Amino acid sequence: QQQVKQSPQSLIVQKGGISIINCAYENTAFDYFPWYQQFPGKGPALLIAIRPDVSEKKEGRFTISFNKSAKQFSLHIMDSQPGDSATYFCAASRANSGYALNFGKGTSLLVTP
Amino acid sequence: DVKVTQSSRYLVKRTGEKVFLECVQDMDHENMFWYRQDPGLGLRLIYFSYDVKMKEKGDIPEGYSVSREKKERFSLILESASTNQTSMYLCASSPMGTRTEAFFGQGTRLTVV
Repeated sequence: QQQVKQSPQSLIVQKGGISIINCAYENTAFDYFPWYQQFPGKGPALLIAIRPDVSEKKEGRFTISFNKSAKQFSLHIMDSQPGDSATYFCAASRANSGYALNFGKGTSLLVTP
Repeated sequence: DVKVTQSSRYLVKRTGEKVFLECVQDMDHENMFWYRQDPGLGLRLIYFSYDVKMKEKGDIPEGYSVSREKKERFSLILESASTNQTSMYLCASSPMGTRTEAFFGQGTRLTVV
């Protein structure tokens, strides 16, 4: 059973546009919410992460918004670039499982020139 | 530069064979993880280990076992490979502590015929 639900499955955005990926979770014990980026032929790599005591975190063009009451969080990519084309995974983890990551199913993002 | 190395990029095995997937990390991390990645399903946790000789089942441990005899090495074992275990296998490691980044290897594409 997927503990983190992610949408959309795929996304096409024009260069310069905003890419938005949404995730939702049920387990209120989760206390760490990272996003991973994966390019073809590579393993996933940490992009940005947030804790539930923060509602927003921004790093460059990437922003996580977190809504604890709704148990939802999202990734916004501003000024999307063709080099952002990749698969994005949201994840959640908790202390009593060694912070093993529970991943969403992934979003394949294509940024067109 | 941190590194998680998986012994093979591609493997082809026959049904019923015993298969070993090896993973080595050079970061002195306490935690190590095995995931499988399938299209449309994201990454699913098979097993993880937070210390030498310690192991915990993840979400899909059936048909798999693991071994961690040394801190830097975490092996995934398919006792009797089946075609439904054809997948991409990803190893990851992370330091002990809260909310830490997991580093992934490049994956092993296993095909069971």
